[in-house]
Amino acid sequence: LAKTTQPISMDSYEGQEVNITCSHNNIATNDYITWYQQFPSQGPRFIIQGYKTKVTNEVASLFIPADRKSSTLSLPRVSLSDTAVYYCLVMIYNQGGKLIFGQGTELSVKP
Amino acid sequence: NAGVTQTPKFRILKIGQSMTLQCTQDMNHNYMYWYRQDPGMGLKLIYYSVGAGITDKGEVPNGYNVSRSTTEDFPLRLELAAPSQTSVYFCASSYSRAGDNEQFFGPGTRLTVL
Repeated sequence: LAKTTQPISMDSYEGQEVNITCSHNNIATNDYITWYQQFPSQGPRFIIQGYKTKVTNEVASLFIPADRKSSTLSLPRVSLSDTAVYYCLVMIYNQGGKLIFGQGTELSVKP
Repeated sequence: NAGVTQTPKFRILKIGQSMTLQCTQDMNHNYMYWYRQDPGMGLKLIYYSVGAGITDKGEVPNGYNVSRSTTEDFPLRLELAAPSQTSVYFCASSYSRAGDNEQFFGPGTRLTVL
């Protein structure tokens, strides 16, 4: 069965760049990869979405290699307020459009 | 816009009781979703809807029912509550299918079944 895999946790310090990778097999050729951020006791919040190569917005970058079997969320110069859980979401189209959230990566940013 | 709202925020049920979790969105989105999130875990899709009158099962539908009579509302029904349904429930909506579009999440309902 298709699934996604992320590191369970990561530590960083303020001002550093953080890269979180999600591995996903069997992703459909025309489906997007989406990343969400979740703070305690809140619903997830959209960060960034991409289909291939590189996407950048005001808060993050998303790198997707040509084989699309993984994606990397890059957070530049993290601050304490970036401490949260980060999830990747893919749609596994060959399983009837099944939505798969990763287990999440708990990022802890220290001063 | 209020976005996605959910009620109640918290609820404690006894085994065998039933309840309805309410979800409303004011963004005129066609797609709506119900997820559950167990402690320390990711989200799992329970049911989803692609428009009024159309619903379908997600990954973990057993023990739940949904209806979608309007674009705005997507209630989730638990008929016979069981301890295994203790979880945080999130409702979400999107303009089109979630794989291609941003989902907007509600604040969640924390349910405990004793």
